[in-house]
Amino acid sequence: DAGVIQSPRHEVTEMGQEVTLRCKPISGHNSLFWYRQTMMRGLELLIYFNNNVPIDDSGMPEDRFSAKMPNASFSTLKIQPSEPRDSAVYFCASSYRGGNTEAFFGQGTRLTVV
Amino acid sequence: DAKTTQPTSMDCAEGRAANLPCNHSTISGNEYVYWYRQIHSQGPQYIIHGLKNNETNEMASLIITEDRKSSTLILPHATLRDTAVYYCIVRPKNYGGSQGNLIFGKGTKLSVKP
Repeated sequence: DAGVIQSPRHEVTEMGQEVTLRCKPISGHNSLFWYRQTMMRGLELLIYFNNNVPIDDSGMPEDRFSAKMPNASFSTLKIQPSEPRDSAVYFCASSYRGGNTEAFFGQGTRLTVV
Repeated sequence: DAKTTQPTSMDCAEGRAANLPCNHSTISGNEYVYWYRQIHSQGPQYIIHGLKNNETNEMASLIITEDRKSSTLILPHATLRDTAVYYCIVRPKNYGGSQGNLIFGKGTKLSVKP
């Protein structure tokens, strides 16, 4: 298995533009997590899906952020409009909820908003 | 909020055992202790988890005290590649709703020195 795949690996965009980050979880996993990491705040959980349904989105910073999981093999995190303070590394992770198994993380997307 | 307390940083000599402590004094009976690490610029990586018995795998050993209020992750023969931030996390055994979240604290920055 190729693991959790995120794209793009790097994104540079101008303030006000829409940004879409993509994640392909590991096949067979039914839980998916989006995290954001900055030096100041560390790793923050943004949203958690189970069986494609958002379970907890309390970490989504504001309405500019939205996440979808249209099927078990794909998820997106969208920021519209983007702001410089959104610059961070965004990680996607997946796990199998049916037991105490580990979550596997992707390599992350480094977002820079200028 | 993270339910664990870890030292901010630790040093270890290459080839020696690295012992990373974690306090989780409010842990409940249905919560596991998980350990992850994050090597610079990579996504977090699962290491090991346990409930109340000591656990060992190819990466590390996990020692949990009898009262379960603290644990120690042991890397038996640390190498330079083990330099990373190590996170100790508690997570419910049978999770539903937001309990499935993996909440990361600040972790311990382990520096393995030649």
